[in-house]
Order: sequence, then C-alpha cells, then structure tokens
Amino acid sequence: KAGVTQTPRYLIKTRGQQVTLSCSPISGHRSVSWYQQTPGQGLQFLFEYFSETQRNKGNFPGRFSGRQFSNSRSEMNVSTLELGDSALYLCASSLTTDVYNSPLHFGNGTRLTVT
Amino acid sequence: AQSVAQPEDQVNVAEGNPLTVKCTYSVSGNPYLFWYVQYPNRGLQFLLKYITGDNLVKGSYGFEAEFNKSQTSFHLKKPSALVSDSALYFCAVRDGQNFVFGPGTRLSVLP
Repeated sequence: KAGVTQTPRYLIKTRGQQVTLSCSPISGHRSVSWYQQTPGQGLQFLFEYFSETQRNKGNFPGRFSGRQFSNSRSEMNVSTLELGDSALYLCASSLTTDVYNSPLHFGNGTRLTVT
Repeated sequence: AQSVAQPEDQVNVAEGNPLTVKCTYSVSGNPYLFWYVQYPNRGLQFLLKYITGDNLVKGSYGFEAEFNKSQTSFHLKKPSALVSDSALYFCAVRDGQNFVFGPGTRLSVLP
C-alpha cells in the first residue's frame, strides 16, 4: 500500500510570491491534515479536511489556505510569502471510522525556503 | 486545552543500554496518547498509542510505553538501544479532531 505522497519535496520561493503544495493520502483515507514544522515552533497544526470540507483550522493567518478534492487529494496554498514561512510542511492522512483510535500517517514533507 | 511536555531536549544513551524518552500530559477527560519518530528529512512515523486498557503498550521496532495516570506520564522505553534508533521523538495527544505534539526529544545512541 502506497504511503502519503507529497510533492514537491523542495521549493524555493521569494517573498511576496505564492506557493501550492500537494498531498495524496493513503488509499481509503478520507481525512487529510497539514502541519508546519519549524525548529523554533515545532509542529503546528494548520488545518484538517474530510470529504472536501475543512473541519478544523489552526491559528494561522488567512494567507494559508487549503482544499480537498473528491478523490481525497489535498492542496495547501500560501499567498504573499514571508521569510517566516520557511518550514517543512507535513501532510498526514488517517482513517476516520474511529477518530480517537486512528493514528496519523505522514508524508515526507515539502521543504519550503523563502528568500 | 490538551497539551504534552517533553522535559528533555536531548537524550544520549550507549548502544545496548535501555532508553527512556519522557512525556507528560495535561488533558481534560480521557487521554489518547501517541508516540511518533522522525528521521532526518522524513515525515513522522507512528510508533504506538494508548487509548485504554493495559498501561504498558507495545509498538513498532521494539518500543513500548508506560501510561501512568497518577503521574500523568507516558514515557517511551526500549530495553536495548540501537544506533539506528537515533532520531527525533514526538509525544502527542488527541485534542478533538486534531493532534497536539510535544516539542520533541532528540535521541542519540552512541556506538
């Protein structure tokens, strides 16, 4: 069974640009979550989607947005990039038949560098 | 709000010795606790979870964790450390639909 796939692995952008990251969950997983990982702040929750609907959102500005498609694939978009957006962005999927019993399965992340 | 703390930024242990990575939690209601490991340039890998039942939980790669309700702890353990266990370890708690992760503990196993 294929794992969570994130593309691209690495991105370099300049301030003010926008970026779109892609995530394909494990087959059969309908929940997709996004996390930002930085050395200073650790892992921070961005948002979670289930069946094309955003169920939860973390404490990030509106420049961060996402969506989920009918095949459960998800994208996140960051507009007007700032230097502080440089981070590893992790996507995770999970089964949702039992919310509390289902661990997250992570992709290898997209490393975004903003210059 | 749910939270987890990992009091040690770094743990060093010699290969073959037992290892412990500490985690304490603060939750309202029943705790749903998880351990994840992250290798360089990789995502997090699920190791084990505690939902209910036995306080000693066994997971992947020979790891286990002991849930202690009175001490609000969920420490990760392994009887005999391997150099390949060197990585970043995260404790996490379910907070509704989301996970809240601890800051991580870097484990170094020295040959």
